[in-house]
Amino acid sequence: DAMVIQNPRYQVTQFGKPVTLSCSQTLNHNVMYWYQQKSSQAPKLLFHYYDKDFNNEADTPDNFQSRRPNTSFCFLDIRSPGLGDAAMYLCATSSGQQDPYEQYFGPGTRLTVT
Amino acid sequence: RKEVEQDPGPFNVPEGATVAFNCTYSNSASQSFFWYRQDCRKEPKLLMSVYSSGNEDGRFTAQLNRASQYISLLIRDSKLSDSATYLCVVNMSQAGTALIFGKGTTLSVSS
Repeated sequence: DAMVIQNPRYQVTQFGKPVTLSCSQTLNHNVMYWYQQKSSQAPKLLFHYYDKDFNNEADTPDNFQSRRPNTSFCFLDIRSPGLGDAAMYLCATSSGQQDPYEQYFGPGTRLTVT
Repeated sequence: RKEVEQDPGPFNVPEGATVAFNCTYSNSASQSFFWYRQDCRKEPKLLMSVYSSGNEDGRFTAQLNRASQYISLLIRDSKLSDSATYLCVVNMSQAGTALIFGKGTTLSVSS
């Protein structure tokens, strides 16, 4: 019954070691988002895909990249994780076609950098 | 001025109490509005969209005041299970791809 799935739920990586987080959706939504959320802070949008069109937020570091090979899957690549990248990473989707454009979130991946 | 502002709380209330949260937003061109609920170490979940006419879902009532640029959430007859962080969310784009989240208001309901 899961609609937005994220794997893994917990990820531990070493400082500087590339890591990939994955997200898949069964909603057939056009738009997929990646957010970073640190403790006691609001989710911060990193980027989103509208279909195949990639939209990067201006303040997203180059260290963060994303891929969307098809409608269902989207990946977040962190090329050289730093200690400051430890956070919860949330994937979300929305249809992009109908107001009020609610977003539906996956359970998140909690990233620890050692 | 921050784009979406909320009182972080915490709001500590007994079961059965009525509690109200407010949220202000800075961009008058904002298109749509939401309240999300987030439990500790979990993902945000949509509680309700907020419409200009106001809307109600059981014990929850949301209102929007575009002239004053604020949104409110009223919870009546609070339950222990209502304890969570409530995020005010504003959509800045016509395509719904620019949601701005407030930092959230924490509610703790005690017996």
